Amino acid sequence: DVKVTQSSRYLVKRTGEKVFLECVQDMDHENMFWYRQDPGLGLRLIYFSYDVKMKEKGDIPEGYSVSREKKERFSLILESASTNQTSMYLCATRGRYNEQFFGPGTRLTVL
Amino acid sequence: GEDVEQSLFLSVREGDSSVINCTYTDSSSTYLYWYKQEPGAGLQLLTYIFSNMDMKQDQRLTVLLNKKDKHLSLRIADTQTGDSAIYFCAEMYGRGSTLGRLYFGRGTQLTVWP
Repeated sequence: DVKVTQSSRYLVKRTGEKVFLECVQDMDHENMFWYRQDPGLGLRLIYFSYDVKMKEKGDIPEGYSVSREKKERFSLILESASTNQTSMYLCATRGRYNEQFFGPGTRLTVL
Repeated sequence: GEDVEQSLFLSVREGDSSVINCTYTDSSSTYLYWYKQEPGAGLQLLTYIFSNMDMKQDQRLTVLLNKKDKHLSLRIADTQTGDSAIYFCAEMYGRGSTLGRLYFGRGTQLTVWP
């Protein structure tokens, strides 16, 4: 079974803090994705990566950056957290039939 | 086009069939997917269908694809209270196919009443 893990299930941070969200997968998948999910808005793609050190902006990259130094790990960085970044963050990888496998999510609250 | 459309809510009685509908945007979509999300959890892949198929059945789940109308549906037979969740439709097309990008609908909240 594909396993996608995220570093925290719940996280509370203060405005202006730098926040790191980590995602790790164990299936040697090349493509990894970061989404945020908000009520009524569905999933919105922030960034994705198709190889180590390669990244591409999704639909809402502003205020975020990413890092992919190793194939199994994809990090989402909030350089200076703001209250409008309070959300559920979901990481995913791309499987053999282009399906995506999701982690359990990190619910981030920025105070 | 990146607007995959789904109705937001569906309520059914336990034991009945549920049908969740989705209208996707691109006739060249190669793969179409259904995901389930339980409260507080990530998305779980339920099933997928290739664009050269018009039906796929997997136990209680039946997926129907109408390419002419760009319409995808998920039927759950003998719906149980454990099926209560949000269901997402997703498609892949165009440049997204190269990069593995999916386009998701906003999700349908299915509520099953005992």
